[in-house]
Amino acid sequence: DTEVTQTPKHLVMGMTNKKSLKCEQHMGHRAMYWYKQKAKKPPELMFVYSYEKLSINESVPSRFSPECPNSSLLNLHLHALQPEDSALYLCASSTGLLNQPQHFGDGTRLSIL
Amino acid sequence: EDQVTQSPEALRLQEGESSSLNCSYTVSGLRGLFWYRQDPGKGPEFLFTLYSAGEEKEKERLKATLTKKESFLHITAPKPEDSATYLCAVQAAGGRMNRDDKIIFGKGTRLHILP
Repeated sequence: DTEVTQTPKHLVMGMTNKKSLKCEQHMGHRAMYWYKQKAKKPPELMFVYSYEKLSINESVPSRFSPECPNSSLLNLHLHALQPEDSALYLCASSTGLLNQPQHFGDGTRLSIL
Repeated sequence: EDQVTQSPEALRLQEGESSSLNCSYTVSGLRGLFWYRQDPGKGPEFLFTLYSAGEEKEKERLKATLTKKESFLHITAPKPEDSATYLCAVQAAGGRMNRDDKIIFGKGTRLHILP
């Protein structure tokens, strides 16, 4: 069982819907990440939060909006997505210290109709 | 340009047939190299971190090694449950501050162990 919990596991939404993905960790980690992964491709970094502050935004379209309410929670708000946004969305966390590995959740499988 | 290349893309082995997966990298400054295992429909599972050339880490049938240009993941006497995609990721120094570092994933090796 992973120590990073993501909900929901699956999400189907229309292009005009607004939804949110949630991620939670209780390992005391201070860095949290959102990745997008397409089939048979490696994860692509979207956002990094360090000590609850957004530190990296990899030129992600504004229809994706991250939020870090506290050190244990990370949200990804979705609005007006496109069919090409269908993918597995992975959340990860790390201690925030240099060179420490990231621990991933099992992701949310997102399908845009 | 920082780059991480994994080979082969896919590998089919008989149960018990040992082999190695390769991760070659070209980065300006290596802070750490990570190996992950990913099963279909799951998130990557952390296996090893390597920091400097000559370092080795072992876990059950897996052994990871690191040189200045590449890392190998050796699989000894694999079992069908070792079938998965193995991902290599490199943390590359982006500047004086950690927040400038980049995490670069390779495309992975899909390993299939036949019983």
